[in-house]
Formats: sequence, structure tokens, C-alpha cells
Amino acid sequence: GAGVSQTPSNKVTEKGKYVELRCDPISGHTALYWYRQSLGQGPEFLIYFQGTGAADDSGLPNDRFFAVRPEGSVSTLKIQRTERGDSAVYLCASSLVGFNEQFFGPGTRLTVL
Amino acid sequence: AQSVTQLDSHVSVSEGTPVLLRCNYSSSYSPSLFWYVQHPNKGLQLLLKYTSAATLVKGINGFEAEFKKSETSFHLTKPSAHMSDAAEYFCVLDMRFGAGTRLTVKP
Repeated sequence: GAGVSQTPSNKVTEKGKYVELRCDPISGHTALYWYRQSLGQGPEFLIYFQGTGAADDSGLPNDRFFAVRPEGSVSTLKIQRTERGDSAVYLCASSLVGFNEQFFGPGTRLTVL
Repeated sequence: AQSVTQLDSHVSVSEGTPVLLRCNYSSSYSPSLFWYVQHPNKGLQLLLKYTSAATLVKGINGFEAEFKKSETSFHLTKPSAHMSDAAEYFCVLDMRFGAGTRLTVKP
């Protein structure tokens, strides 16, 4: 079966622009997670969905970041007024249920010029 | 508050010698603990997970970890390192990743 997919694989944008990053989880997985990973760092937790609702969004750094999962499957991470410090690899993962083994996508590399 | 600390940013071993990667955690409830591995330019892969059924957890590729509640530790070990083990290793508490330990294996 298909794994977690993320689109686009690379995104280059200019400071101040809006971006959307998409995640397609493994079919049937109820939990979905977003992380970002900067070079040489561990993945930083952003938000966790259980079904359609955000069960934990304590990792979102500020109100420029927002994520949705309207039908409990695909999720979109939205970043407004991008800043150069937002440059990182954004990782999505899904698991059958929360707090279980996570399956990671390949990531979206975001570069803000 | 939940937190996880990997005590070594870099570990270097010779091929065929034991590997020890250290992880301490802080949790107010029974934790969900995992070890993940990330090879260069590859995705994150689960090595093993603590499920509370047993304190000694066996994972893939010969790795294992022991959950010690009294020491709040979940160290990762392997009896004999292989060149292909060179990678970044992450200890994870619930959804919180440690900073990672880079394992180098010398021939």
C-alpha cells in the first residue's frame, strides 16, 4: 500500500508570501502529525490531529501557522506572511491511532528567500 | 511537563563493538517512548517502541532498549555495530523528539 505522501517536495517562496503544504496520510490512519526539521536538528512537533480535530496544537510557533484536516484524511499546513526563519523541512506522519508508531512522509523542503 | 533528553550529540564506535545511545525522559504519566533512525537523505524509520508490556524492547536490526522507570531512562543498545548503522538516532516521548545522536561507525 501507499505510504505517506507530501506535496510539493520543494517549495521556494519569497518573504511575506503565503504557502500551503499538503499531506496525504496512509489510508485508515486516524492520527496525523506535522513536524518541521531544521538542518542538524531533531524534528520539532507542530500539531497532532485525531480525526478531524486538532488534539494538540501546542507546537505551532505563532498565529502565522495553521493546519486543517477537514475530512479526517488529507491535511494542509498553511503558513502566512512567511519569514526566512520558516525555512526548514516540513514532515508529516500518520499512525493508526494516536501515540503509536508513526509513518513519515518524505517531507517538503521550504525555502523562504 | 513532558521532555526528552539525548545525552550525547555524537557517538563514535568501531565496527563490531557495542553501541550505547542514551536517552532520559521526564513524564508525569506512563510514557509512550520510541527510537527512530534517520539515514542520510532518507526518511525516518521506527526502530522500536516501549509498550509497557516488557521493559526490555527488541527492535529491528539487532537494536534493543531497556525502559528503567527508576532512572527515567530508555537507552538504545546494540551488541555489535555495523557500518550500515551509521545514521542519526532520535529518542521520542509521545510526539516530542530529542535533539538526536549522530552515530559514526569506524571500520
